Amino acid sequence: AQSVTQLDSHVSVSEGTPVLLRCNYSSSYSPSLFWYVQHPNKGLQLLLKYTSAATLVKGINGFEAEFKKSETSFHLTKPSAHMSDAAEYFCVVSDSFSGNTGKLIFGQGTTLQVKP
Amino acid sequence: GAGVSQSPSNKVTEKGKDVELRCDPISGHTALYWYRQSLGQGLEFLIYFQGNSAPDKSGLPSDRFSAERTGGSVSTLTIQRTQQEDSAVYLCASSLGGQGGETQYFGPGTRLLVL
Repeated sequence: AQSVTQLDSHVSVSEGTPVLLRCNYSSSYSPSLFWYVQHPNKGLQLLLKYTSAATLVKGINGFEAEFKKSETSFHLTKPSAHMSDAAEYFCVVSDSFSGNTGKLIFGQGTTLQVKP
Repeated sequence: GAGVSQSPSNKVTEKGKDVELRCDPISGHTALYWYRQSLGQGLEFLIYFQGNSAPDKSGLPSDRFSAERTGGSVSTLTIQRTQQEDSAVYLCASSLGGQGGETQYFGPGTRLLVL
């Protein structure tokens, strides 16, 4: 069975400081992993995804994540936070075996607050 | 190009009434998904359509929920005899082929409030 655990429900950083949002996953098969962002009253937008290629994945807006199989982790990082990064972030898993429906399993979300 | 669209954007209904939510996927995408986002349950999968195959209904919470997809494009999610616990944001997503690892593109959602 697949599952995702986001280790922090709320993260607060100052503008210009690094961001770390933590995610651990569980999957019976080779997983595909995603980070989505949701700004207030907006839809979900894909930040980045891992699908068994390079373990360090770069996404939009300066975000990146590293797939670590030994730790079953897929933490999201950004070197320098911007005010516009304040949003809800979701870590998501999908199994990648043939015939899989591709349905997504979402973590509970991490609210990122950026202070001026 | 146009993204996934959903209508209505907001819906207020009375307990016991039926509601219909609509989703227009991205043109050419064969897979369509419905998810629900609620305060208590987070984001959860409801149903999946892929081409002409039988849908995966494993996420529907009760038999009051049903969905159809006509002509491989537009989808309608119907909730019969709505209950207050149905209040949530209903999200639709589409992807090119419906396989694991594909990017799903989400619509803006329909916010449903059951009074």
